[in-house]
Amino acid sequence: AQRVTQPEKLLSVFKGAPVELKCNYSYSGSPELFWYVQYSRQRLQLLLRHISRESIKGFTADLNKGETSFHLKKPFAQEEDSAMYYCALSGYNFNKFYFGSGTKLNVKP
Amino acid sequence: GAGVSQTPSNKVTEKGKYVELRCDPISGHTALYWYRQSLGQGPEFLIYFQGTGAADDSGLPNDRFFAVRPEGSVSTLKIQRTERGDSAVYLCASSAPAGGGVSLSYNEQFFGPGTRLTVL
Repeated sequence: AQRVTQPEKLLSVFKGAPVELKCNYSYSGSPELFWYVQYSRQRLQLLLRHISRESIKGFTADLNKGETSFHLKKPFAQEEDSAMYYCALSGYNFNKFYFGSGTKLNVKP
Repeated sequence: GAGVSQTPSNKVTEKGKYVELRCDPISGHTALYWYRQSLGQGPEFLIYFQGTGAADDSGLPNDRFFAVRPEGSVSTLKIQRTERGDSAVYLCASSAPAGGGVSLSYNEQFFGPGTRLTVL
C-alpha cells in the first residue's frame, strides 16, 4: 500500500543548528517525491521536489530508494523556517498524491 | 492574478444535511484536486479532475461524496447526509497543463485557503 510516514510530529531546534525532517515512504512503483510547507496563517505551498534537485531556502532533500526515504535537511536553521512541513508522493502521472501527517518545525532564537 | 479561492471559508451544518463546497482554480489550470485534512493529519486525496472529467476519484470515501467540474473551471464538492466524521478542512488545488511529449511533467499545485466544515 502507498504510504508516507513522518515519524516526528514536532521538531524543535535552535537558530543556526542543523535540521533534518524525516520522511519514509512505501510505494509499489517509481515515486515522485515532494516537500510542502505551510507557514502560519498561509496556504500550503510546494517547497521542493526530488526530480528538480534544487535547493530552496537552503533546504535540500535526497531520494534514497534503498532506504525509501526522502529526508529534508538544512545546515543552519532560521527562525523564519518555523512551519509545518509535509512530505508527499505521487506516481508518474501525478493523478493522485499521498501526504504524510506533517512535522511541525519550531526554530527557537 | 488571483490564486485559488474557496468558498465558504467556514461552514457549520447539522448532521444529515447536504453541503456544497466551491473551488475557483487559477485561470487556465486544467488540473484540479480536492483533499480533506483532518486535525493533526496531512491532506488526504479525494479526487482529481483533468478538464471536465474526473481522472481519479478513488479517494472519495463513500457515495455520499461527489464532485463536479462541468465547464472545466470551477468545481463543487458535494456531501450528502453529512456525518460528524466529515468535519475537516477541505482543500482544493489546481495546476497548469502537464508537459507534452512521452512523459508527463509535473506542474506545481497551487492550494486554496480551504473550507473548514463542521458537522454538529
